[in-house]
Amino acid sequence: EAQVTQNPRYLITVTGKKLTVTCSQNMNHEYMSWYRQDPGLGLRQIYYSMNVEVTDKGDVPEGYKVSRKEKRNFPLILESPSPNQTSLYFCASSLHYGYTFGSGTRLTVV
Amino acid sequence: KQEVTQIPAALSVPEGENLVLNCSFTDSAIYNLQWFRQDPGKGLTSLLLIQSSQREQTSGRLNASLDKSSGRSTLYIAASQPGDSATYLCAVLFYNQGGKLIFGQGTELSVKP
Repeated sequence: EAQVTQNPRYLITVTGKKLTVTCSQNMNHEYMSWYRQDPGLGLRQIYYSMNVEVTDKGDVPEGYKVSRKEKRNFPLILESPSPNQTSLYFCASSLHYGYTFGSGTRLTVV
Repeated sequence: KQEVTQIPAALSVPEGENLVLNCSFTDSAIYNLQWFRQDPGKGLTSLLLIQSSQREQTSGRLNASLDKSSGRSTLYIAASQPGDSATYLCAVLFYNQGGKLIFGQGTELSVKP
């Protein structure tokens, strides 16, 4: 089944403790991106990647890092999480026509 | 600035009613437009994708139309059911946005039995 897989689905962490949210797709898509969704602000792009080793900032990149060492994986790294990064996170991939989204990761930073 | 707007923000209808959700966008230079469904706290499920060269797409009880010149898309849901209750998101891929989807704020639909 074609899909984007994110892990974990839920995560509660403390301020400053580094974490990684994994994202993997099995559709051989070149384009991958991360979004966060917040009430009243909608979905906003954090980072995106056009292909392996090619990444760029989206609208809200502060406090996040990404890497794209393999085509299928695009992890999101929070080096020092803060409470304002509490959000619902989505990974997505695309091959020219239409996006496929992962099931989301609900992150709470206390 | 390229923006996507959805009206209404919320809609409540009785079961069986046909309904239309609206999406407008500020720039006609689009690559495609995609409608998603989101259940509370859940992921985004793609419903329909319309390429810029197309006028409409249909899937079951859903029909989406696209009018680039007026910057509008509609999602028509026929014979609504309680299971259709969810938030519906319109997202546009504009040409000069590096592949970024720009989302509307969504329409929260409630279908009453």
